[in-house]
Amino acid sequence: EDQVTQSPEALRLQEGESSSLNCSYTVSGLRGLFWYRQDPGKGPEFLFTLYSAGEEKEKERLKATLTKKESFLHITAPKPEDSATYLCAGTHTSGSRLTFGEGTQLTVNP
Amino acid sequence: NAGVTQTPKFQVLKTGQSMTLQCAQDMNHEYMSWYRQDPGMGLRLIHYSVGAGITDQGEVPNGYNVSRSTTEDFPLRLLSAAPSQTSVYFCASSRQGLSNQPQHFGDGTRLSIL
Repeated sequence: EDQVTQSPEALRLQEGESSSLNCSYTVSGLRGLFWYRQDPGKGPEFLFTLYSAGEEKEKERLKATLTKKESFLHITAPKPEDSATYLCAGTHTSGSRLTFGEGTQLTVNP
Repeated sequence: NAGVTQTPKFQVLKTGQSMTLQCAQDMNHEYMSWYRQDPGMGLRLIHYSVGAGITDQGEVPNGYNVSRSTTEDFPLRLLSAAPSQTSVYFCASSRQGLSNQPQHFGDGTRLSIL
């Protein structure tokens, strides 16, 4: 059974304090690993797609990396506006279904 | 560009009532899907469609029906509402299958079943 697990469930940081979020997956024949950001009362917003181990992608203060078993979302010098829930999801060979993790709720205090 | 539009934004139903959650996209996307989001359980796939006239079940399809008569619209029907269906429902679309295309999400319908 495809499974995506995120940790920690919640993370509080001070502004400027860098950290990482973890996403472990057991998706058979993983085709893509997605990261989304979700603000309260809104739908998820796409951040990154990673396809193969060793791949890295960056956007502003965020960098996503992928190994054979997990993905990390690194947040460098975060700002309060980075506060959100970050969701990880994987799609398998058929490309027809996306399995989501439960998310990490990030709070960045000024 | 409107993207993915969901209506209504909020709805309260009584147990046993039926209703349709509307979803429309204006990006000419082939793939559309419905998720429910519950605390501590993440987003779970209800039904999806890879194109007009084609639908399939996701992880939690029981109690829900879908149809896809046009590329733009993908309504979700609750046949006989139950309190367990209280949730936030999200519709999403993507250009093609999910192997290399990110999904675009609507802002959700918050549904309460009394």
